[in-house]
This record gives sequence, C-alpha cells and structure tokens, in this order.
Amino acid sequence: AQSVTQLDSQVPVFEEAPVELRCNYSSSVSVYLFWYVQYPNQGLQLLLKYLSGSTLVKGINGFEAEFNKSQTSFHLRKPSVHISDTAEYFCAVIRMDSSYKLIFGSGTRLLVRP
Amino acid sequence: DGGITQSPKYLFRKEGQNVTLSCEQNLNHDAMYWYRQDPGQGLRLIYYSQIVNDFQKGDIAEGYSVSREKKESFPLTVTSAQKNPTAFYLCASSAGLAGAGQNEQFFGPGTRLTVL
Repeated sequence: AQSVTQLDSQVPVFEEAPVELRCNYSSSVSVYLFWYVQYPNQGLQLLLKYLSGSTLVKGINGFEAEFNKSQTSFHLRKPSVHISDTAEYFCAVIRMDSSYKLIFGSGTRLLVRP
Repeated sequence: DGGITQSPKYLFRKEGQNVTLSCEQNLNHDAMYWYRQDPGQGLRLIYYSQIVNDFQKGDIAEGYSVSREKKESFPLTVTSAQKNPTAFYLCASSAGLAGAGQNEQFFGPGTRLTVL
C-alpha cells in the first residue's frame, strides 16, 4: 500500500522568509510525485510534479521541490514567501503501474504573517 | 474559458434525503473523478470514470452513486445510506487515465455539503 505523510499540519512563517513543507511517502513500487495548492473554499491547483529526470523540479509561483529517492521525500521550498502564499498545500503520489489514482497527504497549512 | 464547474457551491440537506452534486467540464477530457475532503485530511477518491457509460468505485464509494451519460458531465448522488456526508466535495478531470502520470487532473471549485 502507498501512503503520503505530511508531518506538519500548519507552518507559520513571516513574509519574505524561506519555507520548506515536508512530504515523505512509502510505496512498494515507483511513484510520480505532485504538489497541489488549495486556497480557501477553492479546488486544487497543480504547483509542480516530478515524473523523471532532474530531481529538482521548479513550479509555479516560485516554488520548487526536490525528489530524494533514498529518503523517499519530496519537500517543497520557496526562498521568500508572500502573504498571498497563505493556503493549504497537498503532496500526492501516483503509482507508476496505476497512473490515475492520486494518493494525498493530509495537507499542510502555510500561514504567512506580515 | 475551459474548465470545470461544480454547482451548487453550498448545499444543505436534511438527514434521510438524497442529494445530487453537479460537475461539468468543457475540457474534452475523457476521465472524471469525485473526491471527498474532510478537515485535516487529504482527498479521498469516491468514484472515477474513464469513458462515457463506465465508472468504477474508488476507496470510499459506499453511500454514493454516479452516472456518466455524457462526456462532459459526471454527477454525484449522496444517498441517505452515507452516514457522515458533511464534507467538501471536489470533482476533477483529466485527458485520460493512462499517460505515465502526465495526465494532470484539473479540479473544480468544490461543493460544500452540510447535513442538518
């Protein structure tokens, strides 16, 4: 079975500070990895994804993530956050042998303070 | 503009009533999905459909039903058999099921269902 763990339910940070949102996964097969962002009472928007190739993936809104196979992690980072980055962030995986079923972590709420 | 619409945005239901949530997409996507979101939890898959007139149960299908009579529409019915239906429901679509993870799932804005 696959699982995705986001240990931090909430991450408070001051504006213009760097941030890292942690994501670890477990799977018996190789997976593709995704980060989604959800603003209040809205649907999810894809931030970035890792399918293959370079382990450092750049996404929208200045976010990036690094795939670490040995540590089974896919942490999301931004060097300088803005108030508008306040949202819920979800890490998700898809098994390579079942390329439709997204398995989500429980989410991390990023709270950016002025 | 292409996208996914869900209606209504907020829905209230009395216990024992069935209610249907609408999901429409004009992206010409073959695959559509329904997810349930509860506070402090990630999304869980209720049902998915790869093509018209075909759909499959996800992880938490009990108490729900769907239909896929048209490519652009995938309504979800929350039946009285669903014991805890209060949640945020999200519809998504993708070009297809296959594609080595490259078929991004696009999400609608969601419907918040509250059982009174």
